[in-house]
Amino acid sequence: DAKTTQPPSMDCAEGRAANLPCNHSTISGNEYVYWYRQIHSQGPQYIIHGLKNNETNEMASLIITEDRKSSTLILPHATLRDTAVYYCIAVRGGSNYKLTFGKGTLLTVNP
Amino acid sequence: NAGVTQTPKFRVLKTGQSMTLLCAQDMNHEYMYWYRQDPGMGLRLIHYSVGEGTTAKGEVPDGYNVSRLKKQNFLLGLESAAPSQTSVYFCASTLSDRGLEQYFGPGTRLTVT
Repeated sequence: DAKTTQPPSMDCAEGRAANLPCNHSTISGNEYVYWYRQIHSQGPQYIIHGLKNNETNEMASLIITEDRKSSTLILPHATLRDTAVYYCIAVRGGSNYKLTFGKGTLLTVNP
Repeated sequence: NAGVTQTPKFRVLKTGQSMTLLCAQDMNHEYMYWYRQDPGMGLRLIHYSVGEGTTAKGEVPDGYNVSRLKKQNFLLGLESAAPSQTSVYFCASTLSDRGLEQYFGPGTRLTVT
């Protein structure tokens, strides 16, 4: 699975959009990009995933560049409860069901 | 629908003692996983199971054993606890056709003195 690189920390004002970047320059054609988050002391929570196209669900949007070397997770209206560590994971689909979590980005949403 | 539950929530063991952590899910998921998380680190996969009666090693399996006798339960055993096993343990489960959308439990905080 491709290595991902994320900034260790970011800040965002409450109510504003939070844009979390992820670099995965060695990603291969059959690898998906998955995003999870972990609120302090809780178990991780699945957010969204994508392969090539941009994706949106009730929690967030995922924008993947055309060359697939990077992606951005967007929380459109961040709240204080979105303060968490966000993990970007590149992983092959199909029968590969093992996730490898890195250190992620600590997003702090400020009032 | 309780999702994924873990028992116990906290435990303190002395070196050499044994214990079993229980993970239960009520979503009829085929796959189940055990991870550990050390301070400031990401999660690391210990063992996983792709169905009742099956188990497989993950990234850091040494010192742990697992069993999946029933589809809804996944047990993690420490036969002889060591201080290096002080960690937070998370269980997760998922459907086989959505294998990477994992549902996590609340965690078990284990301290080995």
